[in-house]
Amino acid sequence: DADVTQTPRNRITKTGKRIMLECSQTKGHDRMYWYRQDPGLGLRLIYYSFDVKDINKGEISDGYSVSRQAQAKFSLSLESAIPNQTALYFCATSDPKFSGGYEQYFGPGTRLTVT
Amino acid sequence: GEDVEQSLFLSVREGDSSVINCTYTDSSSTYLYWYKQEPGAGLQLLTYIFSNMDMKQDQRLTVLLNKKDKHLSLRIADTQTGDSAIYFCAEKGGATNKLIFGTGTLLAVQP
Repeated sequence: DADVTQTPRNRITKTGKRIMLECSQTKGHDRMYWYRQDPGLGLRLIYYSFDVKDINKGEISDGYSVSRQAQAKFSLSLESAIPNQTALYFCATSDPKFSGGYEQYFGPGTRLTVT
Repeated sequence: GEDVEQSLFLSVREGDSSVINCTYTDSSSTYLYWYKQEPGAGLQLLTYIFSNMDMKQDQRLTVLLNKKDKHLSLRIADTQTGDSAIYFCAEKGGATNKLIFGTGTLLAVQP
């Protein structure tokens, strides 16, 4: 079984709809991250959380919100989706005890299309 | 600010060596990473190097770090078609608790 899972894997939604992307992990890591990937732009950090009570904005948090419901779960919400949020979204986890603390383990990604 | 740059595309023939380059701006970076993304999948860590090292070798992979020029490279010896993927370099900046990723280099291996 995968250590980091994301649901859904693909989603098509309309402009203005609220949508939630979910991430679960069985690695026991405290740190979790949400990124979006756009062609030619690499990965950009949306939000990250270093434990259940900790939420931090990344470089592109506008239009997004997150919830860290438990150590193993980190959800990303788009309150009112817009077409330029069409992208591939990745969840990742890390453990500060290994590889300098910043090796990140990625989920398989969610492809979101906003029409 | 922190910035990590890579060329977008590299094409090589099977059996040749591939060299993927990366430049970064944060001179206080402590760890630098190479990740591989295969089609339809998330990123997987290939290797990493601590900033006090110049070189790290792991089987077919060689990482070279030039701290003076803030340049990182990944050499893949005897490149195979299974090496076709997007390769991301990333740095852990000294002042932050996050990884900064480059734009990714698409490696295409021609048979």
